Amino acid sequence: AQTVTQSQPEMSVQEAETVTLSCTYDTSESDYYLFWYKQPPSRQMILVIRQEAYKQQNATENRFSVNFQKAAKSFSLKISDSQLGDAAMYFCAYRTRSNNNAGNMLTFGGGTRLMVKP
Amino acid sequence: EAQVTQNPRYLITVTGKKLTVTCSQNMNHEYMSWYRQDPGLGLRQIYYSMNVEVTDKGDVPEGYKVSRKEKRNFPLILESPSPNQTSLYFCASSFWGLGETQYFGPGTRLLVL
Repeated sequence: AQTVTQSQPEMSVQEAETVTLSCTYDTSESDYYLFWYKQPPSRQMILVIRQEAYKQQNATENRFSVNFQKAAKSFSLKISDSQLGDAAMYFCAYRTRSNNNAGNMLTFGGGTRLMVKP
Repeated sequence: EAQVTQNPRYLITVTGKKLTVTCSQNMNHEYMSWYRQDPGLGLRQIYYSMNVEVTDKGDVPEGYKVSRKEKRNFPLILESPSPNQTSLYFCASSFWGLGETQYFGPGTRLLVL
């Protein structure tokens, strides 16, 4: 079974600065998907960015980018020019690429709470 | 507007009193799923459904039931709730297929006394 670990329960960043959230995972599969979800105080789950393991290029979405290190099984999220609205819980998630019944299930890490200081 | 809705958003109940949390999506998604979120554990899957009348257990199915009689609806049933089911619950949906992004509902906070 796959596991996802987020070793930083809490992080803080100064507004306009850059912060990196860490995520590691364990899998025996060679092809899979990785995601970062944001959960603001409203509790909604919002997709931030996704990465296909077979793609070497790191995904980027505006101020959000990832550093995907497949050999190290590491998938960190970098937030540039941090804004007050970025304050939230961030979850890293893994999904198999296998075409089986559980192929759509997301396995989540425990989350990292990000605080943004004005 | 494409969305996943859940009701109720907040619920306080007592041990043993049956309850149902509804989930509905308007995107014609085949795949629907229920997760529970607990501090430090992230989200864990309870049940999922690949299509109408097709459901299966996730990682933590004990104490829960689901049904999928219509494509758009996927209710979560707690027939005899216990305090250890106090949690935040999320419904999610997506098209069936590799790499499809899942869309989450707003969450239901349940307290079982």
